[in-house]
Amino acid sequence: LAKTTQPISMDSYEGQEVNITCSHNNIATNDYITWYQQFPSQGPRFIIQGYKTKVTNEVASLFIPADRKSSTLSLPRVSLSDTAVYYCLVGDNDSSYKLIFGSGTRLLVRP
Amino acid sequence: EPEVTQTPSHQVTQMGQEVILRCVPISNHLYFYWYRQILGQKVEFLVSFYNNEISEKSEIFDDQFSVERPDGSNFTLKIRSTKLEDSAMYFCASSESLAGDDLYEQYFGPGTRLTVT
Repeated sequence: LAKTTQPISMDSYEGQEVNITCSHNNIATNDYITWYQQFPSQGPRFIIQGYKTKVTNEVASLFIPADRKSSTLSLPRVSLSDTAVYYCLVGDNDSSYKLIFGSGTRLLVRP
Repeated sequence: EPEVTQTPSHQVTQMGQEVILRCVPISNHLYFYWYRQILGQKVEFLVSFYNNEISEKSEIFDDQFSVERPDGSNFTLKIRSTKLEDSAMYFCASSESLAGDDLYEQYFGPGTRLTVT
């Protein structure tokens, strides 16, 4: 399973766009990139998943460059309720059922 | 929106006692998981379960742990003889699709906080 590296923490203000970059230099050909969000004392929640280029849903966008060695989660116009830990996960959807979480990025949104 | 539920929300037990943590996965899901998160640490995979058997387990999931789907709706995690270091949040998750599909998402429950004294 590819190892991921993310910033430990980020600060932002309400209404700003937040971009969290994840490095996964040894990503394998079959690996997908998935982001989860976790609020304090709650279970992780799926945000978005992608393989290459750009994926957008109602919550976020995920940008993946051609070499796939990194990815960027983009949260448009954050609010106080987006304060959470964001996890980047990389894994082969074919060979394992488990999710391997790293330490994540603790995002603090200020008023 | 369907959700995974877990009971109890908080369980306090004495060292050496057995505990059973309960989960009700989303009804049409076929794949079930337990994770734990020690306070301030990462979410750690414990076990996955499909078709009434364990699919995969981590090295944390030793002989003191067991899982069961007793009645077609509940999914339980039993810890036979709890230790202080078992104190953690335990999350149940379920998924509809098998890993290998284009979109693979696990739905997590709210967790059970286990405190071993």
